[in-house]
Amino acid sequence: GQQLNQSPQSMFIQEGEDVSMNCTSSSIFNTWLWYKQDPGEGPVLLIALYKAGELTSNGRLTAQFGITRKDSFLNISASIPSDVGIYFCAGQLASNSGYALNFGKGTSLLVTP
Amino acid sequence: DVKVTQSSRYLVKRTGEKVFLECVQDMDHENMFWYRQDPGLGLRLIYFSYDVKMKEKGDIPEGYSVSREKKERFSLILESASTNQTSMYLCASSLYLGYGYTFGSGTRLTVV
Repeated sequence: GQQLNQSPQSMFIQEGEDVSMNCTSSSIFNTWLWYKQDPGEGPVLLIALYKAGELTSNGRLTAQFGITRKDSFLNISASIPSDVGIYFCAGQLASNSGYALNFGKGTSLLVTP
Repeated sequence: DVKVTQSSRYLVKRTGEKVFLECVQDMDHENMFWYRQDPGLGLRLIYFSYDVKMKEKGDIPEGYSVSREKKERFSLILESASTNQTSMYLCASSLYLGYGYTFGSGTRLTVV
């Protein structure tokens, strides 16, 4: 599958701080999605983005589909301890719409009270 | 809500055993997927299926096979388990290939 470069690999922040993570690729994507995985559970969808430039919020989370269709970012405002987990970006390649989602390697987020 | 159920949360198997991981979804989704998750490597696609009896290889199909005899059930088979198949296995289903995946809670398999 096409590699998605997700960064940072990990973040260790204090409660109340804002968080930003992103995903980039050398290829164009049709969709970008952001998932969160709590320890011991499967990933859960946070935000889905379907067109270039789209900016979507879900509570304290905001994500954008890059205008070049090759990147996306996720911001979390005013972090709280329950934000702890692994965040994955995922996307479907425009050149291979008959294939499953590609996933990034994840950003591990730790929040201290 | 869509529910994806994986039959076991934890499994310990011996090298060389044939292992079956079962996954069932209850929302009539066309597509089902098997991913494995390893630290630092993210989620890697093993196989997916877009219809009953149809399957497509993912990025790392070697050492695995799958079966989809009914729409709601997608099984991952390790023909002869090896220690490098020790991993977390995640099943997912979706209405569309490009989005809307719902994941199960995962099966943590240890091969000794």
